[in-house]
Amino acid sequence: QVTLRESGPALVKPTQTLTLTCTFSGFSLSTSGMCVSWIRQPPGKALEWLALIDWDDDKYYSTSLKTRLTISKDTSKNQVVLTMTNMDPVDTATYYCARVLTDSSSVPTYFDYWGQGTLVTVSS
Amino acid sequence: QSALTQPASVSGSPGQSITISCTGTSSDVGGYNYVSWYQQHPGKAPKLMIYDVSNRPSGVSNRFSGSKSGNTASLTISGLQAEDEADYYCSSYTSSSTLHVVFGGGTKLTVL
Repeated sequence: QVTLRESGPALVKPTQTLTLTCTFSGFSLSTSGMCVSWIRQPPGKALEWLALIDWDDDKYYSTSLKTRLTISKDTSKNQVVLTMTNMDPVDTATYYCARVLTDSSSVPTYFDYWGQGTLVTVSS
Repeated sequence: QSALTQPASVSGSPGQSITISCTGTSSDVGGYNYVSWYQQHPGKAPKLMIYDVSNRPSGVSNRFSGSKSGNTASLTISGLQAEDEADYYCSSYTSSSTLHVVFGGGTKLTVL
């Protein structure tokens, strides 16, 4: 049974750095083809893809946020961590982590399992 | 502005069929068979409904189907039920240098 769970602060101040952890079970991020991605959703708005890390430790970022994002994994702990620097009120959103499967060319195909999401509010 | 274009809203009566479109470019929807669709009820996480354009995960009703023509993908829901009322998002891999994965802006489905 595959599960993912996001954890992190519910409230951060502007300019602070946000650190979110995705703890998962039911699969290994050392298995070929496995990836974990972060997606966010501002209140009442659409999903926005943020970052992805694959089993080979390759990392991909949304270019618009690339300078602020860092994704990393701890395979032994079954965790993926996302940090976002210089937080702003516009970054207020529910942040999701999701499992992604890739094809034989390492192209991400779809998000098959999602965490329940964690709401992060940016306010002074 | 989202990379993939969806209608903001669609509606239908119980028992009817509706189709939600998702328009992209040859760098995403048109270039790869990696379009997926997600259902999201209020306050809940998205749920995978269709993957690789037209495949249904185990447990998803066969009332949900997907297709693609050129740069536009479509999700069709037949035999509408009240529980289908939700937001629906399409997604695709993209070879654009600015993104790796793109989502649509979402479509609110109302069951009348």
